[in-house]
Amino acid sequence: QVQLVQSGAEVKKPGASVKVSCKASGYTFTGYYMHWVRQAPGQGLEWMGWINPNSGGTNYAQKFQGRVTMTRDTSISTAYMELSRLRSDDTAVYYCARNRGSSTSNWFDPWGQGTLVTVSS
Amino acid sequence: QSVLTQPPSVSGAPGQRVTISCTGSSSNIGAGYDVHWYQQLPGTAPKLLIYGNSNRPSGVPDRFSGSKSGTSASLAITGLQAEDEADYYCQSYDSSLFYVVFGGGTKLTVL
Repeated sequence: QVQLVQSGAEVKKPGASVKVSCKASGYTFTGYYMHWVRQAPGQGLEWMGWINPNSGGTNYAQKFQGRVTMTRDTSISTAYMELSRLRSDDTAVYYCARNRGSSTSNWFDPWGQGTLVTVSS
Repeated sequence: QSVLTQPPSVSGAPGQRVTISCTGSSSNIGAGYDVHWYQQLPGTAPKLLIYGNSNRPSGVPDRFSGSKSGTSASLAITGLQAEDEADYYCQSYDSSLFYVVFGGGTKLTVL
């Protein structure tokens, strides 16, 4: 079955970077864009960007440009999201989610289980 | 402040029908972009509930239905069950931002 398995929880200090992985299985990894979405404690969902696993092309939400880098390793069907210059308000659960649909009518299915990133001094 | 507006909470008794609204603007829902819905049970990742305004993925009960009109969309849940207690999010695309947007989420309480 289609599955996305993310790396484990992280605790980071302000100013540091974090890299979260998302391993895909059950489908052709390069055939579907991968999105990253985060959710701060008790808050809603916030879209961060996507990566095209085939070409490596990316598109980031303006809020995160300059701080986020999305990459992939097609040999192990894994996508990565790295966020730098971490602040306390970056504390959140980070999800990867497979894209479905077209460029302007796209939805997410399935989602990874989430990775909690805690930023604290 | 979310681009798509949802009520923070709704509630209903078991067996009843509830609706959750998702209001956008002329740059997203009103521009014709599809709306999708997700269910997030406590402590779990979101799960796709409705895609393309009104389509249910396999495995989603037909108690869940979606619709869209003008600059708004709605999720209806009939025959409420205790297991439906969760947060629900709408999602679309915004042509002025050039990316995906979510609603702020609605907490459904089954009384």
